[in-house]
Amino acid sequence: AQKVTQAQTEISVVEKEDVTLDCVYETRDTTYYLFWYKQPPSGELVFLIRRNSFDEQNEISGRYSWNFQKSTSSFNFTITASQVVDSAVYFCALSEAYNTDKLIFGTGTRLQVFP
Amino acid sequence: DGGITQSPKYLFRKEGQNVTLSCEQNLNHDAMYWYRQDPGQGLRLIYYSQIVNDFQKGDIAEGYSVSREKKESFPLTVTSAQKNPTAFYLCASSIAWDRLETQYFGPGTRLLVL
Repeated sequence: AQKVTQAQTEISVVEKEDVTLDCVYETRDTTYYLFWYKQPPSGELVFLIRRNSFDEQNEISGRYSWNFQKSTSSFNFTITASQVVDSAVYFCALSEAYNTDKLIFGTGTRLQVFP
Repeated sequence: DGGITQSPKYLFRKEGQNVTLSCEQNLNHDAMYWYRQDPGQGLRLIYYSQIVNDFQKGDIAEGYSVSREKKESFPLTVTSAQKNPTAFYLCASSIAWDRLETQYFGPGTRLLVL
């Protein structure tokens, strides 16, 4: 069965600390996409990254980086030198090729960055 | 600017009343989706539409209805049959339904019951 687990419900850090948000997924499909979305207090979900199952190369975008490991079914998200503006709920999600209509979300991790 | 708009931002419903949430996109996307978000939970799919005049039930369709008369519009009606409608509702769209694509989201509508 397909499932996304974000075991960290809430994380608090002080500004400039590095923080890693964990995401573990389950799927029977060999072709799938993984996503991270950010939900700031305003509520809108902001797309951050999409990764396909055939590309395990890690990605870096400014202070954000993503570590995709098929061996452990994980797609972790690291924020380097966190800032107050990073405070939000972050969702990991999975989409499978055999069921492209469905985006399966984890329960989210609330990140609070204190000045 | 291309994007997804939802209105209203806040909506109040009285007992026994049907209310309609608006979702419009100018991205020329074929597929549109409605999700419900409850506190501390992830998003759950209510309905989705792959093309105009076609839509499918998601995981929690009971008490909701939709229509897709135009490509850019996908309104959601919360009927009186939905006994626990208080939630945050998010609309999304993607370029196509028949292949893996990214879903982009609107700003959401918060529905409260009086």
